[in-house]
Amino acid sequence: EDQVTQSPEALRLQEGESSSLNCSYTVSGLRGLFWYRQDPGKGPEFLFTLYSAGEEKEKERLKATLTKKESFLHITAPKPEDSATYLCAAPKAAGNKLTFGGGTRVLVKP
Amino acid sequence: ETGVTQSPTHLIKTRGQQVTLRCSSQSGHNTVSWYQQALGQGPQFIFQYYREEENGRGNFPPRFSGLQFPNYSSELNVNALELDDSALYLCASSIGQGYNEKLFFGSGTQLSVL
Repeated sequence: EDQVTQSPEALRLQEGESSSLNCSYTVSGLRGLFWYRQDPGKGPEFLFTLYSAGEEKEKERLKATLTKKESFLHITAPKPEDSATYLCAAPKAAGNKLTFGGGTRVLVKP
Repeated sequence: ETGVTQSPTHLIKTRGQQVTLRCSSQSGHNTVSWYQQALGQGPQFIFQYYREEENGRGNFPPRFSGLQFPNYSSELNVNALELDDSALYLCASSIGQGYNEKLFFGSGTQLSVL
């Protein structure tokens, strides 16, 4: 059965304190690994898609990387506005029906 | 370009009742997916509609049903509500159903079952 697991469940950072979030997956025939950001009371917002081991993508203070078994979301010098829940997801066997991890709740304090 | 809109934003029902949630997909998108997100958890896939046909279903009982209309808007119906159905229900649209087609989510409907 496809599984996506995220750690830690929650992360409290001081502004400027860099850290990494982990997403491990057991998905047969991985067809991509998605990262989303979710703010309270909102739906998830797309950040990145990674397709192959070694691939990296960046957006502002966020960088996502992918290996054969896991993905990392690195947050460099975070600001309070980076506070959110970060979700990773992988497509099921066919199409874009996603299996999500439980998310990592990130709180960045000024 | 309007995004994905869902209605209502909040809903309170009692156990055993039926509920209908609505979703308008983003312009140009022909695929709608529904997800259930319990508090503190990631979204769980309920089902997907592509050009008015169900195109895959997650591990949800038949009392969860849906429709997609010719304008690609969609409804999620839940019969015989149970307390565990309390959750945020998210609708997402995409240009197609391919594995690389990213999902655009609405803000969800918060359903409380008492």
